[in-house]
Amino acid sequence: GENVEQHPSTLSVQEGDSAVIKCTYSDSASNYFPWYKQELGKRPQLIIDIRSNVGEKKDQRIAVTLNKTAKHFSLHITETQPEDSAVYFCAATPEDMRFGAGTRLTVKP
Amino acid sequence: DTGVSQNPRHKITKRGQNVTFRCDPISEHNRLYWYRQTLGQGPEFLTYFQNEAQLEKSRLLSDRFSAERPKGSFSTLEIQRTEQGDSAMYLCASSQGLLAYNEQFFGPGTRLTVL
Repeated sequence: GENVEQHPSTLSVQEGDSAVIKCTYSDSASNYFPWYKQELGKRPQLIIDIRSNVGEKKDQRIAVTLNKTAKHFSLHITETQPEDSAVYFCAATPEDMRFGAGTRLTVKP
Repeated sequence: DTGVSQNPRHKITKRGQNVTFRCDPISEHNRLYWYRQTLGQGPEFLTYFQNEAQLEKSRLLSDRFSAERPKGSFSTLEIQRTEQGDSAMYLCASSQGLLAYNEQFFGPGTRLTVL
C-alpha cells in the first residue's frame, strides 16, 4: 500500500518568511496529492491539491510542486502570517487516501 | 449546516463495551471514508464506501471494527469489545463522484476515550 513520509515535523518561521514542507510517496499509481490544514481542535480542511498530470499549482500565497519521477511533492507558503500557524498534512491517493504524519507550522509575529 | 456531521462528538466508555458512531455525509456525495487520528499523527485510513458498497478496509480494521452504509447515505462505525488503544478521534469524510481524486470534506470527528 501507499506510504507517505512528511518533513519536517515542526517548522518555525518569522512572519513574512516562506515555509516549505516536503513529502515523499511510495506507490507510483498515486495520482492525486492534496494538502490539508488542521487548526487545533478543528477538522482538516483542504488548502490546495494537485493531480499527477500537473507539475505545479499556485493559489495566491500557496503553491504545490510535484515530481512524479522522484515521487515527491512540496507545499510552499510565501509571506507567512500568524494565522498560517497550524498542522499541515500531505496525502497521496491511488484509491484511498494516505496521510503524512503532519508538520506543525508556527509563524512568529 | 450542509457539511459532514458526526455523532456523538464525544464518547467515554469502559473497556470491553461496544460503541457505535454515526456519520452523515454531504448530500449526494457518493464516497464516504472513515479515518482514525491519534494525537500528533495524520489521519489513518480505515475504510471507505462507494454508495453502499464497502470497497476497501485497512489492515488497521480488526475484526472488532465494522462499518456499514446500508442505503448509501449515512454510515455507522461500530467497535466491539473496546480496548484502551482504541482511544482516538474518529473522522468521517465524504466526496462527490466515483473517482478518488475529488476533494474530501471532513466532519468534526468523534473523540473516543476508553477507560
